[in-house]
Amino acid sequence: EIVLTQSPGTLSLSPGERGTLSCRASQSVSSNYLAWYQQKPGQAPRFLIYGASRRAAGIPDRFSGSGSGTDFTLTISRLEPEDFAVYYCQQYGSSPFAFGQGTKLEIK
Amino acid sequence: EVHLVESGGGLVQPGGSLRLSCAASGFTFSSYSMNWVRQAPGKGLEWVAYIYTSGSTIYYADSVKGRFTISRDNAKSSLYLQMNSLRDEDTAVYYCARHDYGDYGGFWGQGTLVTVSS
Repeated sequence: EIVLTQSPGTLSLSPGERGTLSCRASQSVSSNYLAWYQQKPGQAPRFLIYGASRRAAGIPDRFSGSGSGTDFTLTISRLEPEDFAVYYCQQYGSSPFAFGQGTKLEIK
Repeated sequence: EVHLVESGGGLVQPGGSLRLSCAASGFTFSSYSMNWVRQAPGKGLEWVAYIYTSGSTIYYADSVKGRFTISRDNAKSSLYLQMNSLRDEDTAVYYCARHDYGDYGGFWGQGTLVTVSS
């Protein structure tokens, strides 16, 4: 069973800054089947990235994913006010399809 | 347009049962595997269960194994989650989500709230 650990738990940044969120897996993620989601209060998660680095349709190019094996990163190049939310990673390569515990991106 | 609409949530006593439904539209339901994911109040996302297109392969999180049953009716484009022996810690918003991690993937419903309390 793969356990995903996200860091930091909370990230305080200002609009216009660069945000870097980490997701570390307890063992290698099969075929880099790693997804990232954004969630705002009262809303369902929004699908951002799949296959560790591929942006889903309609996702702005300021969002990028990278990494392989056990270490993955979500980078937001220039933070917009609407980007402040909670971000989750999920591995979908093998059951159980676990999520990380989340990183809260808050306005500094 | 893809739509997933959950229903069946509500207040139930510990030890009780509840059946959630997810009505799918806007895509060929029988072509996609599906998941249930839950989120306890103020907590993170927890994957609960998965079912393959035909229902031939099913997986569960350890936390619900033996108590919850996922099923589907492709003729009705519907996904179900039968929840038995409910516990306080099962209190959460339950989402159905298409198991689709591609360019146009990642569809989730808006969720249905299950509250387990005496």
